[in-house]
Amino acid sequence: EADIYQTPRYLVIGTGKKITLECSQTMGHDKMYWYQQDPGMELHLIHYSYGVNSTEKGDLSSESTVSRIRTEHFPLTLESARPSHTSQYLCASSDYTLDRQGQLNEKLFFGSGTQLSVL
Amino acid sequence: QKEVEQNSGPLSVPEGAIASLNCTYSDRVSQSFFWYRQYSGKSPELIMSIYSNGDKEDGRFTAQLNKASQYVSLLIRDSQPSDSATYLCARDMRFGAGTRLTVKP
Repeated sequence: EADIYQTPRYLVIGTGKKITLECSQTMGHDKMYWYQQDPGMELHLIHYSYGVNSTEKGDLSSESTVSRIRTEHFPLTLESARPSHTSQYLCASSDYTLDRQGQLNEKLFFGSGTQLSVL
Repeated sequence: QKEVEQNSGPLSVPEGAIASLNCTYSDRVSQSFFWYRQYSGKSPELIMSIYSNGDKEDGRFTAQLNKASQYVSLLIRDSQPSDSATYLCARDMRFGAGTRLTVKP
């Protein structure tokens, strides 16, 4: 069972509000990621981090920002939410494991997600 | 061009059949590929990873990688209704659009 937590689980807010989606993991993983996913659609990588003080933009243009001051914490912030930001936001961290064939695998552990609705 | 493409689906198979899911990629440099399963309303979870050409088996699941043809596939033998989900191909932490599989009892 992965120890990665996202809060809140659901959030409904009005346009123009500033919001922060929280993501924490207790596994000591260096790499962390934020994905955006609309219902029935693919996951889009919006931000990632290789470790403390490292943040990178992903593939999908996003008006959100992230920070990584501590290894276990990777919050995502929207300065001014808009209806177009309505989506599911998934946080993940990754670790390397050995499979049965002795190969190193980078495995993603996902949080339960935050469903954001901007009215 | 997307890094991984999943164009097939949705896919429906009867219980006990073999389900075959496919994914193609454009970058010959890619070394490792992953299959994730995502149940409706849930987060993705890793099923298998594959690095080398050929087949890799884990229980009812077999991943196949063909680097020359740039495709990776996932076979699910003896499909069960509980296998009904969206299957996502991924590499370098980027995901394909997914293939929705329905296994009919």
